[in-house]
Amino acid sequence: DGGITQSPKYLFRKEGQNVTLSCEQNLNHDAMYWYRQDPGQGLRLIYYSQIVNDFQKGDIAEGYSVSREKKESFPLTVTSAKKNPTAFYLCASSKATDTQYFGPGTRLTVL
Amino acid sequence: KQEVTQIPAALSVPEGENLVLNCSFTDSAIYNLQWFRQDPGKGLTSLLLIQSSQREQTSGRLNASLDKSSGRSTLYIAASQPGDSATYLCASSKTNFGNEKLTFGTGTRLTIIP
Repeated sequence: DGGITQSPKYLFRKEGQNVTLSCEQNLNHDAMYWYRQDPGQGLRLIYYSQIVNDFQKGDIAEGYSVSREKKESFPLTVTSAKKNPTAFYLCASSKATDTQYFGPGTRLTVL
Repeated sequence: KQEVTQIPAALSVPEGENLVLNCSFTDSAIYNLQWFRQDPGKGLTSLLLIQSSQREQTSGRLNASLDKSSGRSTLYIAASQPGDSATYLCASSKTNFGNEKLTFGTGTRLTIIP
């Protein structure tokens, strides 16, 4: 089946740790995105990539990093420098002018 | 900077009723307006996408309208069912490539009472 997957579903981070969230799609989409969702708030864009080996910062990129070495994969690293990273993280992908398709999300909790 | 607002934040209606969800945006220079559904703890599912040149889109019991001049969009749900209970988010797109500048509202949490 075609789709977009995220792993893990739940992730726990200790203070001082970097953690990486996985996002994979087999929809042959060029564009991929990472969003953060906090309770009672809309989605905020962290990073996006329109093509392999290229990505741009979104509205809240500080404390996060990404890579786009393959078309199918767009991992997000939450660095130890990120304050208050506890949130629900959503990955999405799209064709150039089509709607975005979202993964099931990863819930990150800082211990 | 675009701001998207959805009021009310929560809405409860009896099963079978028709209802309207509201979305307003401050910058009318949008490329399209989308409505998404989100179930608790899950990702978003696209419901309807309205291009800026269109006034409405329909899918089954759902109808979305767009009035750029007034900065408003509505999502009409006919004959509501308990399975419609979810959070509904609207999002505007500024550009015509990749939708990379989606600006989301905070959502309306809809509960359909059996």
